[in-house]
Amino acid sequence: QLQLQESGPGLVKPSETLSLTCTVSGGSITGSSYYWGWIRQPPGKGLEWIGNIYYSGSTYYNPSLQSRVTMSVDTSKNQFSLKLSSVTAADTAVYFCAKTLVSSPSFDYWGQGTLVTVSS
Amino acid sequence: QSALTQPPSASGSPGQSVTISCTGTSSDVGSYNFVSWYQQHPGKAPKLMIYEVSKRPSGVPDRFSGSKSGNTASLTVSGLQAEDEADYYCSSYAGSNNLGLFGTGTKVTVL
Repeated sequence: QLQLQESGPGLVKPSETLSLTCTVSGGSITGSSYYWGWIRQPPGKGLEWIGNIYYSGSTYYNPSLQSRVTMSVDTSKNQFSLKLSSVTAADTAVYFCAKTLVSSPSFDYWGQGTLVTVSS
Repeated sequence: QSALTQPPSASGSPGQSVTISCTGTSSDVGSYNFVSWYQQHPGKAPKLMIYEVSKRPSGVPDRFSGSKSGNTASLTVSGLQAEDEADYYCSSYAGSNNLGLFGTGTKVTVL
């Protein structure tokens, strides 16, 4: 059974860079025709897609976050990562990592989510 | 692009049906058959209930069904059960620059 687990600091200072890693177990990150993604949810609010990455390194980012987002993949560790720069309080959210279906943008496997708070 | 529009709340008694709408534009819902629906219980990760407008992943009860007409997609939950009480989000592909446009979310209450 595929499992995803987010990890990273739970507190980030304003203007700094948020960094999270998603570790995939029970399957290989190098599977073909599906992507790995990040989605966030501010407390009490809705979901927001951040971006997707393919194991080859190809990326797709939400246009509203594109200037601040960098995603990468480490196939040797079966992990993929998110960096979000110049964070503000508005970036406080639960961050989920997830996997898409084959050849479809829907996310069928999700991590449990990790709360990142931006505060000094 | 703005989030897809969903009603804030919907409700029904056990055994009844509830339908949630998801309104987008001709640039997203209206142009692609990549509409998904997710169920989210408090403090939990979302769960995929419907993909590609009307397909159900393995393990999702057939009480959940999806459809689309023009720029509006819909999720119907038939035979409501207590465990169906949750938040529901739609999502649509909106082109190669926006793979996952989410809806505003609907809280479903089982009366």
